[in-house]
Amino acid sequence: QVQLQESGPGLVKPSETLSLTCTVSGGSISSYYWSWIRQPPGKGLEWIGYIYYSGSTNYNPSLKSRVTISLDTSKNQFSLKLSSVTAADTAVYYCASGRIDYGGNSLYFQHWGQGTLVTVSS
Amino acid sequence: DIVMTQSPDSLAVSLGERATINCKSSQSVLYSSNNKNYLAWYQQKPGQPPKLLIYWASTRESGVPDRFSGSGSGTDFTLTISSLQAEDVAVYYCQQYYSTRPFTFGPGTKVDIK
Repeated sequence: QVQLQESGPGLVKPSETLSLTCTVSGGSISSYYWSWIRQPPGKGLEWIGYIYYSGSTNYNPSLKSRVTISLDTSKNQFSLKLSSVTAADTAVYYCASGRIDYGGNSLYFQHWGQGTLVTVSS
Repeated sequence: DIVMTQSPDSLAVSLGERATINCKSSQSVLYSSNNKNYLAWYQQKPGQPPKLLIYWASTRESGVPDRFSGSGSGTDFTLTISSLQAEDVAVYYCQQYYSTRPFTFGPGTKVDIK
């Protein structure tokens, strides 16, 4: 059973860069794609982006200019960097594993971390 | 973007009664080459992360009770809880994975006990 755990600062100042790490256990990092999803307090879910084992990435166009997702296979971790944050980026940030089909296409999110609240405030 | 809408926004159902949630996509999420609908349902209980319930519009994830079922095709989908239990109080989200640019979720439907 894949388990994921987010870590990183819970408070980030406006205009700075939000950095989070997700540690994966219990599963092969090459068997899934790895994604970040966020949820502002009291609101719905927004997909941020994903990375494959190959290093290939795909980002939500609404955030693409500010997002970088990277993978460290030696540590079984993947990371999110979101630059130039504002109060609108305050949210619970989830990491998730996504199933891949036989053709290598990205499918649904199968496992989720518990989430970490990041507040953007001075 | 494929826009996902859900109805109702919220509903209250008596214990043991049926709950029905609708999800509509702005374009078809049925992939003709494999005849599969790229639609998933998630359950989010208060203070918890979302949990995958159903994928391919109607396939239950392992361990999900059989009172949960999904149906529909193309642009219109339904999640049914056949006999609502107290532990089913949650927000339910649909999500399309037909287009990865970007993946999109519905706004959620809150289910409560009447």
